[in-house]
Amino acid sequence: DVKVTQSSRYLVKRTGEKVFLECVQDMDHENMFWYRQDPGLGLRLIYFSYDVKMKEKGDIPEGYSVSREKKERFSLILESASTNQTSMYLCASSWGQGSGNTIYFGEGSWLTVV
Amino acid sequence: AQSVTQLDSHVSVSEGTPVLLRCNYSSSYSPSLFWYVQHPNKGLQLLLKYTSAATLVKGINGFEAEFKKSETSFHLTKPSAHMSDAAEYFCVVSDSTGGSYIPTFGRGTSLIVHP
Repeated sequence: DVKVTQSSRYLVKRTGEKVFLECVQDMDHENMFWYRQDPGLGLRLIYFSYDVKMKEKGDIPEGYSVSREKKERFSLILESASTNQTSMYLCASSWGQGSGNTIYFGEGSWLTVV
Repeated sequence: AQSVTQLDSHVSVSEGTPVLLRCNYSSSYSPSLFWYVQHPNKGLQLLLKYTSAATLVKGINGFEAEFKKSETSFHLTKPSAHMSDAAEYFCVVSDSTGGSYIPTFGRGTSLIVHP
C-alpha cells in the first residue's frame, strides 16, 4: 500500500515562528502536493512539485514556501507563522502525468498558531 | 479551466435509506473524476474514480457513481446508508488543462447518518 507520512500530527506554534511540516512518501511518486483544509472551503492547493528541486505555486502560496531535495520528501515551510495560518495541512502524492492517477493523502497536520 | 460544484454542503439520512451526494463539473477536456471520503481527523481516502471507461463506476463500501456527460454530473450513491458512512465527501475533477494534471476539489459534503 502507498504510504504518505506526515511526521507531525498536532503542532502549536507562536506567531512569528518558522514552522516546518514534513511529508514523506514511499512509492517513488513524481508528484507531491501540499493542501490547506478549512471548514467550508474544501482543499486549497498551496504548492506542488513534479520532480526533485522543482516547485510550482498553487492557489494560495502567499506566506508559504516548499523544499523538495529528495524525491520522497516534500516540506512545507511557514517563514513567519501567523494566526490566519491556523489550519489543517494535507500532503499528497501521485504518480506521473496522467489526469486519472489517484492522489494519495497523508493523515494531516493540525497547526495552531497562537 | 476545470471546476467542480458539490450541490449540498450537508446531507442527512437515516440508517438503511439511500444516499445521494451530488456533484457537477466543468471541464474543457475529457476529465477524470474522483470521489474521496474523509473521516474525522483523518486524511482523504479514494472511494472511486472515472477515467473514460465504463460510465457507471463501483467503489469501496458499496458506493457507486455515474458519469453523465450530457448533464456534466458525477453523483455518488449508495443503496443503504450505514452509520460508519458518516464523513465528509469530496468530488474531484482533473483534466489536462494547460498540460498539467492538477486536480480541483469541491468544497465537500458532510454526510450525517441518523440511527
